[in-house]
Amino acid sequence: GAGVSQSPRYKVTKRGQDVALRCDPISGHVSLYWYRQALGQGPEFLTYFNYEAQQDKSGLPNDRFSAERPEGSISTLTIQRTEQRDSAMYRCASSLGQGDYSNQPQHFGDGTRLSIL
Amino acid sequence: AQKVTQAQTEISVVEKEDVTLDCVYETRDTTYYLFWYKQPPSGELVFLIRRNSFDEQNEISGRYSWNFQKSTSSFNFTITASQVVDSAVYFCALSEDKGANSKLTFGKGITLSVRP
Repeated sequence: GAGVSQSPRYKVTKRGQDVALRCDPISGHVSLYWYRQALGQGPEFLTYFNYEAQQDKSGLPNDRFSAERPEGSISTLTIQRTEQRDSAMYRCASSLGQGDYSNQPQHFGDGTRLSIL
Repeated sequence: AQKVTQAQTEISVVEKEDVTLDCVYETRDTTYYLFWYKQPPSGELVFLIRRNSFDEQNEISGRYSWNFQKSTSSFNFTITASQVVDSAVYFCALSEDKGANSKLTFGKGITLSVRP
């Protein structure tokens, strides 16, 4: 597709379970970002990749959160032993790349709404 | 640390009124980028504009215009002759130039309601 694709759109799970959220960026986009958006707030940065390399993971709240992008395309954000406070909209974004194309606009997917019961 | 403040939380106007959404930012970097995004009721985040810190020219795109003033660290967004379809949450965001891509820091957003 033309845009950033995220799956699933909705995820409801019980506290303590692990979840994996998937992001398929725009074709050809080098950089991929994960954000978390609480209701009534702006997105908050979690981590980002250039190609397969994780460049910044300073926004991951704790070691239950991890992300990977093994082939430089699709990325997975994993939350282990979920807690109710993890409930939020998780958004993925991608942008064109580096060098002359650095800090290009980030284009966002529709997000995964995660609810922890 | 970088910070974006959108002091207005909710604005309500009648169709055809002009409305300005304020954005104030803080950064220690001399090179940075500013963005506006729109989040309509359907929930997606739509990119509107990107400006770099060296380009203080105001920009106009149809009914939208942006006023960037480094002296006051502001990047305000004006919608002229507002329409019901402009109803959305609008986010201002900042990224610092680290020689490569970097994260966006968002404000809390401004909810704009345009009444017919």
